[in-house]
Amino acid sequence: DVKVTQSSRYLVKRTGEKVFLECVQDMDHENMFWYRQDPGLGLRLIYFSYDVKMKEKGDIPEGYSVSREKKERFSLILESASTNQTSMYLCASNPSGRDRGGQYFGPGTRLTVT
Amino acid sequence: LAKTTQPISMDSYEGQEVNITCSHNNIATNDYITWYQQFPSQGPRFIIQGYKTKVTNEVASLFIPADRKSSTLSLPRVSLSDTAVYYCLVGDENTGFQKLVFGTGTRLLVSP
Repeated sequence: DVKVTQSSRYLVKRTGEKVFLECVQDMDHENMFWYRQDPGLGLRLIYFSYDVKMKEKGDIPEGYSVSREKKERFSLILESASTNQTSMYLCASNPSGRDRGGQYFGPGTRLTVT
Repeated sequence: LAKTTQPISMDSYEGQEVNITCSHNNIATNDYITWYQQFPSQGPRFIIQGYKTKVTNEVASLFIPADRKSSTLSLPRVSLSDTAVYYCLVGDENTGFQKLVFGTGTRLLVSP
């Protein structure tokens, strides 16, 4: 069965802290994604990666960075957390090529920055 | 960006067929149409994807007219467990994932 896991379901951090969100997929997928989801705004793409050490900015990359050192792992980094980064963070993956059947999502990490 | 428009919410009863329509007037030639389902406190789950005409799987059917400017997700005989938010996405991942835009979705409530 397809599996995307995220390191934490709930996380509380203080303003200014450096925050790491980890995502691991066991499907040997080339593509991995980080989204944030906020009420009334739907899901917004932060960053994605189509290969190891490759990354591309999504719609809202400001305040975030990512790392993909291994194919199965994609990390989202908040360099200096701010209260407006309080959100649900969702990781996803999918294989390359046509007819890939959509993205597989993890359970999400609800981050609160105080 | 290929923007989509969906109803904000829909109500139904158990056993009924539910049709959720998504409008995507500026769909591009290479764009696919994908639908996801999301339950509270969970990530979205892929339901169905299509390019034209009709696609059916064990969960739903997707109807796409010839002009492809809209699509309809059809859920046969819904149950209480189908209460969720349904997202319609339009895009071609081969031209950039930035073009895959999740809107605010349609909140479906199924009642007994």
